[in-house]
Amino acid sequence: AQSVTQLDSHVSVSEGTPVLLRCNYSSSYSPSLFWYVQHPNKGLQLLLKYTSAATLVKGINGFEAEFKKSETSFHLTKPSAHMSDAAEYFCVATYNNNDMRFGAGTRLTVKP
Amino acid sequence: NAGVTQTPKFQVLKTGQSMTLQCAQDMNHNSMYWYRQDPGMGLRLIYYSASEGTTDKGEVPNGYNVSRLNKREFSLRLESAAPSQTSVYFCASSRGPRTEAFFGQGTRLTVV
Repeated sequence: AQSVTQLDSHVSVSEGTPVLLRCNYSSSYSPSLFWYVQHPNKGLQLLLKYTSAATLVKGINGFEAEFKKSETSFHLTKPSAHMSDAAEYFCVATYNNNDMRFGAGTRLTVKP
Repeated sequence: NAGVTQTPKFQVLKTGQSMTLQCAQDMNHNSMYWYRQDPGMGLRLIYYSASEGTTDKGEVPNGYNVSRLNKREFSLRLESAAPSQTSVYFCASSRGPRTEAFFGQGTRLTVV
């Protein structure tokens, strides 16, 4: 079965330092990949998406992710964390059959 | 510009009771989804509907039924609620495979 693995359940960074949230997917062919963010007691908002065009994808709020087929990875990065980035982040893979699978999530804490 | 609307927002049920969660989207999307979110497990797909008139099981369909009433509406029914179904439920919609999904604000369900 297709699956998405987020390698860290919790990441803590200081404000102004880089953010790296790691995601690996398993599939026999390339999925479309997304990162969503969920602030406390809120719904989910799309940060960025990869759909087989450029491998480096830029999203909202300074986030970007790089698709690496050889590593089956789609890690999310941001050069400089802001307090408002504290949230839960989900990596999502979707395939031709509409089956959209989420990773378990990474909770990002940003320290002043 | 409503997007995806879920009702109710909160619900408490007794074990064995039944209820239906309602979801409607106004974006003319073909695909609709129901997820449940539990701490540390991300969002798990219960059922999805690729188009009007079709439904398919996701990762955790047991104890649930769905109806794609028309293109706009996709309901989730719990026939006999169990405490293990205590969760936050999210409905989502998308244009189709490999496209971004838009989420409702969630329904917090407690089964006592």
